[in-house]
Amino acid sequence: KAGVTQTPRYLIKTRGQQVTLSCSPISGHRSVSWYQQTPGQGLQFLFEYFSETQRNKGNFPGRFSGRQFSNSRSEMNVSTLELGDSALYLCASSVGQGVRGYTFGSGTRLTVV
Amino acid sequence: DQQVKQNSPSLSVQEGRISILNCDYTNSMFDYFLWYKKYPAEGPTFLISISSIKDKNEDGRFTVFLNKSAKHLSLHIVPSQPGDSAVYFCAASKDTDKLIFGTGTRLQVFP
Repeated sequence: KAGVTQTPRYLIKTRGQQVTLSCSPISGHRSVSWYQQTPGQGLQFLFEYFSETQRNKGNFPGRFSGRQFSNSRSEMNVSTLELGDSALYLCASSVGQGVRGYTFGSGTRLTVV
Repeated sequence: DQQVKQNSPSLSVQEGRISILNCDYTNSMFDYFLWYKKYPAEGPTFLISISSIKDKNEDGRFTVFLNKSAKHLSLHIVPSQPGDSAVYFCAASKDTDKLIFGTGTRLQVFP
């Protein structure tokens, strides 16, 4: 079966712009979680969506937001981009809420210049 | 505050030998622990997990040990193979909530 699909794979944006990343979960998975990976901070949890509702949120500023659609696909948005937002953004999907059975996508590499 | 720590940034092991990767945590409320393997520009791939009610879990060449009193877990890979070369992350969770990741250990298995 198809894995977790993240688009685009690579993205270059300018400071101050906004960006939207997309994540299509494995068919039948209803939970999507987002993580940010940077060299300095490692992998950090952004938020989790389950059945179109944000279930959990990490310690990130309000510039980071997300949503989930009825087909379980999820998007995350970062507004007013800063250089420090350059990172690999990973999403993970699972059947139910929480981390059991997580499958990660390959990520979107965002570079802010 | 780094709740999950991997103090060895890198490890080099000869093919066929045992690889032991270590992880320490500070939060005694963590009840579920996982190990992931990661290649550059790819997402983490799940390897093995362990619940806090157990002290050992095996899956093929991979065994995870949990010492709750020491707040320490380790991943043993026996025998190590060149294809095991990657970055390994341990992660912890409370109530299967979000994952808290360690900083990773780069394993290199040489012939």
